[in-house]
Amino acid sequence: DIQLTQSPSTLSASVGDRVTITCRASESLSSWLAWYQQKPGNAPKLLIYKASDLESGVPSRFSGSESGTEFTLTISSLQPDDFATYYCQQYKSSSTFGQGTKVEVK
Amino acid sequence: QVQLEQSGTEMQRPGSSVKVSCKVSGGTFSIAAINWVRQAPGQGLEWMGGIIPLYGTTNYAQKFQGRVTITADAATSTVYMEVSSLTSEDTAVYYCARGAGSMIIDIFFRHWGQGTLVTVSS
Repeated sequence: DIQLTQSPSTLSASVGDRVTITCRASESLSSWLAWYQQKPGNAPKLLIYKASDLESGVPSRFSGSESGTEFTLTISSLQPDDFATYYCQQYKSSSTFGQGTKVEVK
Repeated sequence: QVQLEQSGTEMQRPGSSVKVSCKVSGGTFSIAAINWVRQAPGQGLEWMGGIIPLYGTTNYAQKFQGRVTITADAATSTVYMEVSSLTSEDTAVYYCARGAGSMIIDIFFRHWGQGTLVTVSS
């Protein structure tokens, strides 16, 4: 099974900060990776798919990148609505989620 | 637009089974995979398995093989997920999620149900 290691598990940040979350895969994913945002009590929301494609309607401050087996979700300027938990998901072989990164108020 | 409507909260005894439904409206039901993802209290997301309704093709996470059964009813555009031999560790919110694209289970999820809380307790 493909494993995903997400870091950090918690991130403290302020509005306006640039935020970076990393997801490392145990093997090549050929870009088959997505990012989701989840707020308490709600279902996850798709942000990024195929490592760097922005889902329609998602603000452009969100971006995804890939370098080998390391994937990055970047929020260029953190907004109040962005405090949430973020998950990566690989879908190259079945599906696996990372452990999640909670972005909290500093 | 695509909407996924799940059945309501369940409370079950250890050792029993639970069957959760997910009714899909909008889009073409039979060709897009429906997957199930669960989330234990305070924990992360865990993929359980999925189905392509047109063919009944399924794929399960190894952890759940033999204990989880996913089926589809094209007549009612509804997918079902049954978990047997429940333990307290199965207490979680269970989500159905529709795969983007067609005819593939291994895919990202653009549309999600609202979640169904299943509590297992004696």
